[in-house]
Amino acid sequence: SYDLTQPPTVSVSPGQTASITCSGDNLEDKYVYWYQQKPGQSPVLVIYVDTKRPSGIPERFSGSNSGNTATLTISGTQSMDEADYYCQAWDSSTSVFGGGTKLTVL
Amino acid sequence: QVQLVESGGGVVQPGSSLRLSCEASGFTFSRHSLHWVRQAPGKGLQWVAVISFDGNNKFYTDSVKGRFTISRDISKNTLFLQMDSLRPEDTALYYCARGGRSWNTEFDSWGQGTLVTVSS
Repeated sequence: SYDLTQPPTVSVSPGQTASITCSGDNLEDKYVYWYQQKPGQSPVLVIYVDTKRPSGIPERFSGSNSGNTATLTISGTQSMDEADYYCQAWDSSTSVFGGGTKLTVL
Repeated sequence: QVQLVESGGGVVQPGSSLRLSCEASGFTFSRHSLHWVRQAPGKGLQWVAVISFDGNNKFYTDSVKGRFTISRDISKNTLFLQMDSLRPEDTALYYCARGGRSWNTEFDSWGQGTLVTVSS
């Protein structure tokens, strides 16, 4: 089965740039999607097909995918960005999520 | 606006069955694939199943194959998940999520989830 690996935690100071990675074999050959989930809430799509932002998602959210690693970057991180973030990809007819990264803004 | 409202969760014993429903509104139901995604308490997201926009393609994660069945009723704008032979490890919050016209795309809208607890 295909696996996506994320760091369990990432910490960032307000106003700084946060980078959350997602690793998988030849991940650049797949599209990667990113979701934000705040406590007690449903996930929200923040990046799709590697780099695109859905309407309503702030410009400070961006994505990239190269080699074996996809990265979600949050520029000028705000306290409201504190949440769990999950990457997702398709492997044949199965969808896979990374284990999730808890972003702490302190 | 897109709305997805799940129902049907509850507390059941191992080996029991349960049928989840997801009522959709605010979009053209027949033009989108639909998914079930679950989240065990305190854990991460796990994709469960997808049904294509026309109902002709259905795919499942390995751990539920042969036990769960996904279906949709276009006349009622409703997605279903029939869960048989339930196990304690199926305990989770089950989300309904909207996909694109293709089944292997993003999940762009999510419901609030319905909780399934499998325990003796």
